[in-house]
Amino acid sequence: EVQLVESGGGLVQPGGSLRLSCAASGFTFSSYEMNWVRQAPGKGLEWVSYIYSGGTTTYYADSVKGRFTISRDNAKNSLYLQMNSLRVEDTAVYFCVRDISGSYFDFWGQGALVTVSS
Amino acid sequence: QSVLTQPPSVSGAPGQRVTMSCTGSSSNIGAGYEVHWYQQLPGKAPKLLIYRNNNRPSGVPDRFSGSNSGTSASLAITGLQADDEADYYCQSYDNSLSGSGVIFGGGTKLTVL
Repeated sequence: EVQLVESGGGLVQPGGSLRLSCAASGFTFSSYEMNWVRQAPGKGLEWVSYIYSGGTTTYYADSVKGRFTISRDNAKNSLYLQMNSLRVEDTAVYFCVRDISGSYFDFWGQGALVTVSS
Repeated sequence: QSVLTQPPSVSGAPGQRVTMSCTGSSSNIGAGYEVHWYQQLPGKAPKLLIYRNNNRPSGVPDRFSGSNSGTSASLAITGLQADDEADYYCQSYDNSLSGSGVIFGGGTKLTVL
């Protein structure tokens, strides 16, 4: 059974940093592209970042470019999102999402809540 | 402001058929890029409902179907049930954007009367 379990969310002050992790199981993690998608409270879905299966290619939404870094450790079946210079508008549930051929997202984690507030 | 436009809400009575639209432009749906649909039940993570325009993952009932026409896509639900009440999002690709080009609609809230 495919499982994606996020961790590392919490309350952080504006300007602070946080690192999200996603533990994958039930599939060959190293064969899949992965993404982070976020959802602000009461709002819709927003794509945040993408990483190729081998980790060699990454993409970011303009709203997070230069502040967030996506990475993965295929030996540990884990996906990461390092978030720096956090802003109030980064407050959201962050979902770890499996990607099928850069097209659609077939499995989603349960999400990790990040709250940026003073 | 989402690149893909969805009506904020639709509603229907149990057993009825409802449709919801996802309107794009010539740089996404109109360019032939595939449309995918997700269902998000209250308090839950989104779940893939329709992929590549009109394909259902294993376990999704055939009451759900997708279609495309021009710069728009539609999701249809027949035999509406109470537990269909959820938010529905369309997703596609846009070739005018930086990054991966992944775009979502703003979501449609389905209310079962």
